Amino acid sequence: DGGITQSPKYLFRKEGQNVTLSCEQNLNHDAMYWYRQDPGQGLRLIYYSQIVNDFQKGDIAEGYSVSREKKESFPLTVTSAQKNPTAFYLCASSPERQGTTTNEKLFFGSGTQLSVL
Amino acid sequence: SQQGEEDPQALSIQEGENATMNCSYKTSINNLQWYRQNSGRGLVHLILIRSNEREKHSGRLRVTLDTSKKSSSLLITASRAADTASYFCATVENNDMRFGAGTRLTVKP
Repeated sequence: DGGITQSPKYLFRKEGQNVTLSCEQNLNHDAMYWYRQDPGQGLRLIYYSQIVNDFQKGDIAEGYSVSREKKESFPLTVTSAQKNPTAFYLCASSPERQGTTTNEKLFFGSGTQLSVL
Repeated sequence: SQQGEEDPQALSIQEGENATMNCSYKTSINNLQWYRQNSGRGLVHLILIRSNEREKHSGRLRVTLDTSKKSSSLLITASRAADTASYFCATVENNDMRFGAGTRLTVKP
């Protein structure tokens, strides 16, 4: 899974609780991404960040929040507003945003499985 | 929203056989990529083919791209039990990467 570390591996959320998923990379990549994966479906983009202190909403940002205070770290908070949070969450990084360089592949972490108690 | 759609959804073959997976997409792309995912793990990049390329090889992998038909295929030759995984195509369009729902490949020893 390259130099991207996601933690925890498994996380349980109680009703009305906010939870934060950690993503750290040591690849010196500028761009970082959060995807949600539901069983039998492809990945859907939640948020992405091209540079420190900047991030953009993806296709399904509602109920989620992120921060990018350091280049290495891109934590994702699943808020109580997200009514169906049970899913597998994947963090990824790339040297730059897709389409801007010839080096466009994504490096993924090993994922966090979030479940609701 | 998804861009690529893989076909078939699931594929089961014997070790030593070839496995072919297809991906169709809807709009113009910059490039198309294939990723592999073992159960409960992250995705691993396999191969990238650009819109001006028609075929690419990497070890036992062969990828083709037909932009007129908006389709790509991934061929894994001489499959092994360790190739058992889900395979996803991803298209890059206007700086956004879109993933299909994947093909679940099972290689029986």
